[in-house]
Amino acid sequence: ETGVTQTPRHLVMGMTNKKSLKCEQHLGHNAMYWYKQSAKKPLELMFVYNFKEQTENNSVPSRFSPECPNSSHLFLHLHTLQPEDSALYLCASSQGQGDQPQHFGDGTRLSIL
Amino acid sequence: EDQVTQSPEALRLQEGESSSLNCSYTVSGLRGLFWYRQDPGKGPEFLFTLYSAGEEKEKERLKATLTKKESFLHITAPKPEDSATYLCAVREYSTLTFGKGTMLLVSP
Repeated sequence: ETGVTQTPRHLVMGMTNKKSLKCEQHLGHNAMYWYKQSAKKPLELMFVYNFKEQTENNSVPSRFSPECPNSSHLFLHLHTLQPEDSALYLCASSQGQGDQPQHFGDGTRLSIL
Repeated sequence: EDQVTQSPEALRLQEGESSSLNCSYTVSGLRGLFWYRQDPGKGPEFLFTLYSAGEEKEKERLKATLTKKESFLHITAPKPEDSATYLCAVREYSTLTFGKGTMLLVSP
């Protein structure tokens, strides 16, 4: 596989469930990102990891918990979510956090019942 | 105030009808302006990076230009397969700030 792969592609969960989103990149990059994309709003940066170390946490509620075990894998653990958390969650990677472009996966469409 | 503003929000063109999309920004220390294309149900696909005023990049029917306050994405003789949402993002420090995008529909 090439590029950035996200699983699952779709997820429906209740407000009391716990689930995890997975992202894997095959580009040899060392920075990884989680974004939230909601209708009519710009992409919102949630978390940034550079060489497995978290470098940005954009005031994200604690019901979202990221994990980066290595430079190729990124997880987003979800628990006790709210209906307003329904959105497309996108993972991206880049070579460093400098001037190189970020490359995105196709996202997980999350629906909270 | 939004740092990145894209216009128009939506644009409908006939096949072959050239036009331009606009991305204006207010960051003071631009370290890069990025254009992406996003198809329904997909993630953004990288198109171009522009770093300094006067720079231009081209790819097939698309041409991106940059000034000190805005960028244009020119679409020449578009085809229906160019229909997508086009996103602009700017880097001021270490992170990207995205605009809301322009939804382009090209009719045959």
